[in-house]
Amino acid sequence: KAGVTQTPRYLIKTRGQQVTLSCSPISGHRSVSWYQQTPGQGLQFLFEYFSETQRNKGNFPGRFSGRQFSNSRSEMNVSTLELGDSALYLCASSSDTGRSPRYEQYFGPGTRLTVT
Amino acid sequence: AQSVTQLDSQVPVFEEAPVELRCNYSSSVSVYLFWYVQYPNQGLQLLLKYLSGSTLVKGINGFEAEFNKSQTSFHLRKPSVHISDTAEYFCAVTSNSGYALNFGKGTSLLVTP
Repeated sequence: KAGVTQTPRYLIKTRGQQVTLSCSPISGHRSVSWYQQTPGQGLQFLFEYFSETQRNKGNFPGRFSGRQFSNSRSEMNVSTLELGDSALYLCASSSDTGRSPRYEQYFGPGTRLTVT
Repeated sequence: AQSVTQLDSQVPVFEEAPVELRCNYSSSVSVYLFWYVQYPNQGLQLLLKYLSGSTLVKGINGFEAEFNKSQTSFHLRKPSVHISDTAEYFCAVTSNSGYALNFGKGTSLLVTP
């Protein structure tokens, strides 16, 4: 099976712009989570989607949003970019069925976002 | 809420020596614990997990970890490390109440000849 894929791998944006990152989960996985990784704050949970519904959300401002499509692919959007949004954004998928949560999350390679 | 503390930010070790990376967690509910490894410019790879059952968990690449409920610890061990084990290691915890992984700050393992 192919792993989790994320596009693009690298991105440079200017303050005030918005950005959309994409994630394709492992085939058959319906749960997709997003994490932000920075040297200062480490790995922080953004949100999780299952069957197109956001089930869980981390402590991030409303500028960070996401969605999931019927094929389980997910996108996250950051509006009005700030310098502090520079980070590695990681997507993870899980085989959680929605009835019996499975906690193994498989991560993609990440999208490196640089805000100038 | 659950949290994880990785007690060492950096661990230098010689090749073929044993290593232990320490992880303590805090939680008022039953937890599920994980170790992930991150190589430079890559995502996270699952090394091993504790969900239930035997407290000694074996993972990939010769790593193992022991869940100790009384000491709220989940230390990662390898009896003999290789140069290729040089990477960042993250301990993570979650529970039945959510789907988010709470990560520690990471331990940088540096293996030298």
